[in-house]
Amino acid sequence: AQKITQTQPGMFVQEKEAVTLDCTYDTSDPSYGLFWYKQPSSGEMIFLIYQGSYDQQNATEGRYSLNFQKARKSANLVISASQLGDSAMYFCAMRAFSGGYNKLIFGAGTRLAVHP
Amino acid sequence: ETGVTQTPRHLVMGMTNKKSLKCEQHLGHNAMYWYKQSAKKPLELMFVYSLEERVENNSVPSRFSPECPNSSHLFLHLHTLQPEDSALYLCASSQERGHPDGYTFGSGTRLTVV
Repeated sequence: AQKITQTQPGMFVQEKEAVTLDCTYDTSDPSYGLFWYKQPSSGEMIFLIYQGSYDQQNATEGRYSLNFQKARKSANLVISASQLGDSAMYFCAMRAFSGGYNKLIFGAGTRLAVHP
Repeated sequence: ETGVTQTPRHLVMGMTNKKSLKCEQHLGHNAMYWYKQSAKKPLELMFVYSLEERVENNSVPSRFSPECPNSSHLFLHLHTLQPEDSALYLCASSQERGHPDGYTFGSGTRLTVV
């Protein structure tokens, strides 16, 4: 079964410190994609970073990096130099191919609180 | 402007009402999705339209009725809803070709059923 697991319901971090949000996935497909989204209290889902299953290097986007460990089926998000505006829900998601089309499967999310 | 626009942003409706949620994408994508996000639950995929054809309906009750008249527009028609249908409804779009590396979401419609 295709599944995303986020085991941290909530995380706290001090401003300017780095934080790692965990994500593990389960799929038997050789080709898949992994995404991280940020959802502030306003509700919109903001795309942060993408990692393809065949990408050799870990993805980076500014202060966001994805620690992709394929053998362990993990795709942890690292946020460096946390800012107060990073406080939000964070969702890990996987693109799964099923029935002839792609769809996005989400984990339960991690609520991040950044303290001054 | 995110590229995917959802209206209305907020909706309060009675259980006997009929209303519709609208989603419009300006990205040239050919696949659109409805997701439901309830409190303390993961996002649930409700409907998938690929090339304007509905390809998945994840056992959604018939009181939710989707419509995709063209590749840019997606509707979710609501009738005789229950209080447990109160949730954030998110629309998304993607380019269904090869291996999509981008799914763009709208800001959502926060629905309250009273």
